[in-house]
Amino acid sequence: DQQVKQNSPSLSVQEGRISILNCDYTNSMFDYFLWYKKYPAEGPTFLISISSIKDKNEDGRFTVFLNKSAKHLSLHIVPSQPGDSAVYFCAASAGGGTSYGKLTFGQGTILTVHP
Amino acid sequence: DTAVSQTPKYLVTQMGNDKSIKCEQNLGHDTMYWYKQDSKKFLKIMFSYNNKELIINETVPNRFSPKSPDKAHLNLHINSLELGDSAVYFCASSQGSSGRNEQFFGPGTRLTVL
Repeated sequence: DQQVKQNSPSLSVQEGRISILNCDYTNSMFDYFLWYKKYPAEGPTFLISISSIKDKNEDGRFTVFLNKSAKHLSLHIVPSQPGDSAVYFCAASAGGGTSYGKLTFGQGTILTVHP
Repeated sequence: DTAVSQTPKYLVTQMGNDKSIKCEQNLGHDTMYWYKQDSKKFLKIMFSYNNKELIINETVPNRFSPKSPDKAHLNLHINSLELGDSAVYFCASSQGSSGRNEQFFGPGTRLTVL
């Protein structure tokens, strides 16, 4: 029972264009969502997050959108750069401090940005 | 300086053996985690320790035993290794045990059981 799903295993985008990575979740108790980025042979690194009380959070070229009614979030990267090529993981947590840090991850989307 | 380090990076072993993976963080964090990335690429939490106390223990075979000698270390010992244990294991740490705290991951240990 996978509570967080990233249904696109891969995405290919031209440099300078927008990359849109999608994530769906099923557990309505999730109230905080995070995106992590992973390069080969490295561990995931935190990218951006959003609380369920918001529907958008922006940090430079990265924007995360949350649609609670659809249980869907997306990560927009504008403009995309070749250095953005990596695996992107969506993650969710429930209950703030009572979650003890438990994150539920999706299976990742491989983003390739072509020069 | 590496923030979260794991040793070894690769581990190849026979079924039935016992092995350990070590994790150390130099960030001064009070919470550490072990995740398993399976063949379907999902990262799944296994254990979490806060100030050396076990706070998350997911449904993991009891062949897996975490040990936290101090706040900076969380080791994972696996007894009687099985083929299905083959995966990449990631250690992580955070300051605080809320799901809102950024977790810093190590580079992973690729375990292959033959």
